[in-house]
Amino acid sequence: DGGITQSPKYLFRKEGQNVTLSCEQNLNHDAMYWYRQDPGQGLRLIYYSQIVNDFQKGDIAEGYSVSREKKESFPLTVTSAQKNPTAFYLCASSDGPSSYEQYFGPGTRLTVT
Amino acid sequence: GQSLEQPSEVTAVEGAIVQINCTYQTSGFYGLSWYQQHDGGAPTFLSYNALDGLEETGRFSSFLSRSDSYGYLLLQELQMKDSASYFCAVCHSWGKFQFGAGTQVVVTP
Repeated sequence: DGGITQSPKYLFRKEGQNVTLSCEQNLNHDAMYWYRQDPGQGLRLIYYSQIVNDFQKGDIAEGYSVSREKKESFPLTVTSAQKNPTAFYLCASSDGPSSYEQYFGPGTRLTVT
Repeated sequence: GQSLEQPSEVTAVEGAIVQINCTYQTSGFYGLSWYQQHDGGAPTFLSYNALDGLEETGRFSSFLSRSDSYGYLLLQELQMKDSASYFCAVCHSWGKFQFGAGTQVVVTP
């Protein structure tokens, strides 16, 4: 079955530690995205990538970093510079930059204490 | 600035019809999409309007009017499983998506 996997589902970290969230897709999609969702709020774009070895900052990129070394993988690192990292993180992919349909992974709920 | 506005919550009974409005202050987008998200789950794609007018997909319909900077999602024959959050989203150039804050739909028996 094609889809997007994110791991782990729940992640706990101490303040000051960097943490990397995994996102893998086997849909052969070119574009991949990372969103952050806070309780009762919409999705805010962190980073997006339209093609391997290229990525762009979204609206809230500060304190985050990404890489796109392979088409199927788009890991997100939440650095210690991110002031309020506790949130639900969603990875998505689409067939291309102008595709209107995004496919989402199950999400990773990160708690930093 | 660019923004999409939706009501925060709508409550309706089973079998009813609900309309979720999305007004926006943005331009130059490809189209308006709608997503459904159950508590703790992943958003799933429902509908897309590239052009003005009504798109129907089963019990759900979506509408766009670029001249009025307005769109809506219509949920008909409401079922308990329709209780979820619904988000409108626009796709700007180069794949940059912008989502509204979401509307919580509560369906009561």
